[in-house]
Amino acid sequence: KQEVTQIPAALSVPEGENLVLNCSFTDSAIYNLQWFRQDPGKGLTSLLLIQSSQREQTSGRLNASLDKSSGRSTLYIAASQPGDSATYLCAVLSGNTPLVFGKGTRLSVIA
Amino acid sequence: EPEVTQTPSHQVTQMGQEVILRCVPISNHLYFYWYRQILGQKVEFLVSFYNNEISEKSEIFDDQFSVERPDGSNFTLKIRSTKLEDSAMYFCASSEALFTGTKNIQYFGAGTRLSVL
Repeated sequence: KQEVTQIPAALSVPEGENLVLNCSFTDSAIYNLQWFRQDPGKGLTSLLLIQSSQREQTSGRLNASLDKSSGRSTLYIAASQPGDSATYLCAVLSGNTPLVFGKGTRLSVIA
Repeated sequence: EPEVTQTPSHQVTQMGQEVILRCVPISNHLYFYWYRQILGQKVEFLVSFYNNEISEKSEIFDDQFSVERPDGSNFTLKIRSTKLEDSAMYFCASSEALFTGTKNIQYFGAGTRLSVL
């Protein structure tokens, strides 16, 4: 059974810092991995999706990498801004099970 | 850009009542899903639907729940006899394909917040 873990659970950084969020999954036979942003009480905003054949994806200040063999993905945020404050969720599509989500990392960027 | 739409955005109901949450998936998508997120917890899979029948369901999706595609555009989640613990955000998603290929991306709606009093 696929399990997704995100570390750290919460992170607070000063504005301008570069940061890395981590996601690990137990079953490396995945089809894709997706990073979402969730603001308090709101829906899911898809940030980046990496297919199993890809190693990384970039969008603006965000870069997501995937190492399937080790069961890990990282989301790198460059030059963080207060507007980046949110919870970041990692979700994995694998086996015969629709998306399995991690619990998320709650990010606070302090001005 | 096509999007998944969900209505209502917030539903308040009394315990024991039935609710229907509505979703309009992206028009050329064939696979439809419901997920749930209880406040402070993980997003959890409830059910997937393809070709007018349930293709997979989680242990959460018991007899209290049902899904339906009543017409060519809507996809609904019905919760019978709601309980306090059904209070959560419910997300609908759709995809063109299930697992393989580049069409396996699930697109999510903005969610319906269900509050059971």
